[in-house]
Amino acid sequence: AQSVTQLDSQVPVFEEAPVELRCNYSSSVSVYLFWYVQYPNQGLQLLLKYLSGSTLVKGINGFEAEFNKSQTSFHLRKPSVHISDTAEYFCAVFILTGGGNKLTFGTGTQLKVEL
Amino acid sequence: EAQVTQNPRYLITVTGKKLTVTCSQNMNHEYMSWYRQDPGLGLRQIYYSMNVEVTDKGDVPEGYKVSRKEKRNFPLILESPSPNQTSLYFCASSFFGDTQYFGPGTRLTVL
Repeated sequence: AQSVTQLDSQVPVFEEAPVELRCNYSSSVSVYLFWYVQYPNQGLQLLLKYLSGSTLVKGINGFEAEFNKSQTSFHLRKPSVHISDTAEYFCAVFILTGGGNKLTFGTGTQLKVEL
Repeated sequence: EAQVTQNPRYLITVTGKKLTVTCSQNMNHEYMSWYRQDPGLGLRQIYYSMNVEVTDKGDVPEGYKVSRKEKRNFPLILESPSPNQTSLYFCASSFFGDTQYFGPGTRLTVL
């Protein structure tokens, strides 16, 4: 069964510092990869996605992620965070198989930006 | 405006009383899903549908039913709710394999 691992459940960071949120997945077949953000008391919205092409993907609000096929990772980065980036971040993997097409989410990483 | 709507947004019910949470999208998406969100567990897919009359189980389907009679609607049915189904539920839609558009969520409490 496919799985998505977000190793860090919480990441505290000071404002203007860089941050990396880690995501690893288990699959040997083609995948689409996503990062979603959930602000307090809201639904989820897309930050960025990798479907094909360049392995470095840029998203909204200055976030970027790099697809590493050999390490089956899709880590999210931002060079300088802002207080408004405080939210929960979810990595998601859509595995392209003929037998089923489920989208699997990680358990989430709570990013807390402090002054 | 492109959107996914869910109703109701909040629901408190009692064990065993059948309920339906509606979901509707206006983007002509073929793929629709239901998720539940629980603290520490992230989002877990309950059921998904790849098109009208085509549905399949996600990771946690027990105790839930769905139907997809029209492309735009994907209701979630709890025939006999139990307290362990207390959760925050999200409906989502997308084109196949692409960005999921999420509804605002339904907070369900089963007493």
